[in-house]
Amino acid sequence: DQQVKQNSPSLSVQEGRISILNCDYTNSMFDYFLWYKKYPAEGPTFLISISSIKDKNEDGRFTVFLNKSAKHLSLHIVPSQPGDSAVYFCAAGGYQKVTFGTGTKLQVIP
Amino acid sequence: GAGVSQSPSNKVTEKGKDVELRCDPISGHTALYWYRQRLGQGLEFLIYFQGNSAPDKSGLPSDRFSAERTGESVSTLTIQRTQQEDSAVYLCASSLNRGDYGYTFGSGTRLTVV
Repeated sequence: DQQVKQNSPSLSVQEGRISILNCDYTNSMFDYFLWYKKYPAEGPTFLISISSIKDKNEDGRFTVFLNKSAKHLSLHIVPSQPGDSAVYFCAAGGYQKVTFGTGTKLQVIP
Repeated sequence: GAGVSQSPSNKVTEKGKDVELRCDPISGHTALYWYRQRLGQGLEFLIYFQGNSAPDKSGLPSDRFSAERTGESVSTLTIQRTQQEDSAVYLCASSLNRGDYGYTFGSGTRLTVV
């Protein structure tokens, strides 16, 4: 069963606009949530995280929002830049390991 | 080392042969993880090590898969009698301690079974 779901396999956004990537999870025992970014032929790199006791965490152009009651988190990138084009994985930490979603491919159009 | 190193970067093997994939984690990182990514799919957890022991092997798909870690450093993932469905990118990651979820990943080994 897929405990972390990213229902949009791809997203296209104009440069300068906001990118919103969404993620849903099913296991209420997850206590930490992360976003990873992956370029082709490279491993995923950690981008930003949020503890389950918070509802928002911001780092520069990247903000992650967590809605625990809805078991939903999102990543906002503003303004989007062409270099942000990559696959973004939502992930949830618990039981001493990280469970990943299937990824959303973001394309930022210049 | 400065990052997580995996070798080989690419491996093509014939069905039925055994393969060994290697991971060198960041020095001092006690936790090490193996994931795989099949084409068009997400990252699938295989196994994790805390030091030299493997508390969670729940993701290993079958008894053809095994992994070991020696000296709290290098880990090898061995796949015996490879099948075409084993074709995937195998990713290794490490973190300072278990429960530290900000993993550092290697670039992966792309395994193709023909």
